[in-house]
Amino acid sequence: GQQVMQIPQYQHVQEGEDFTTYCNSSTTLSNIQWYKQRPGGHPVFLIQLVKSGEVKKQKRLTFQFGEAKKNSSLHITATQTTDVGTYFCAGNGGGANNLFFGTGTRLTVIP
Amino acid sequence: GAVVSQHPSRVICKSGTSVKIECRSLDFQATTMFWYRQFPKKSLMLMATSNEGSKATYEQGVEKDKFLINHASLTLSTLTVTSAHPEDSSFYICSARDSARVYYTFGSGTRLTVV
Repeated sequence: GQQVMQIPQYQHVQEGEDFTTYCNSSTTLSNIQWYKQRPGGHPVFLIQLVKSGEVKKQKRLTFQFGEAKKNSSLHITATQTTDVGTYFCAGNGGGANNLFFGTGTRLTVIP
Repeated sequence: GAVVSQHPSRVICKSGTSVKIECRSLDFQATTMFWYRQFPKKSLMLMATSNEGSKATYEQGVEKDKFLINHASLTLSTLTVTSAHPEDSSFYICSARDSARVYYTFGSGTRLTVV
């Protein structure tokens, strides 16, 4: 079955430091989405990447989709305490309508 | 827009009883809804895809008779955990996608504790 792995599993950073999480799929993805889940909350959509090699930016967040459409990354510049949460990548392959979530990276930002 | 409401947010039940969780799309119609289960500090595991007017599609390893799904209307899907046991204790989340949008919207989740 489809597997989507993320590394690292946990990341503690000092406020102001950068953070990156990497997402790798066992199969080629038609698109990839990123979600953020705050502690005790539910996942909230951040962005979708569709094209091979695509790069998108949202303020301090930079998202990349690999050339082979099997991996992706999320980079946060100068983290803030509001960035705390778990970041999940999620993809669906082929004609599948459902999302398979990555294992997630839990970010802790130390003030 | 694209709001999904899930109830209850928390439920405690005794072993052997059944619990029903509702997931509603408030401002859009959803022919398909998805049910996930999340263990503490873990990822979301897709349990099943709920299809309006037809049978749900369950992921491998998910017991159909244990987790009953009904999607009787375009705005409501229910998940019933039957004969609940302590190992069923978990965080259950539903999601749906408004066809006008690319992303999936999640309910606020239901924390089930079976004692």
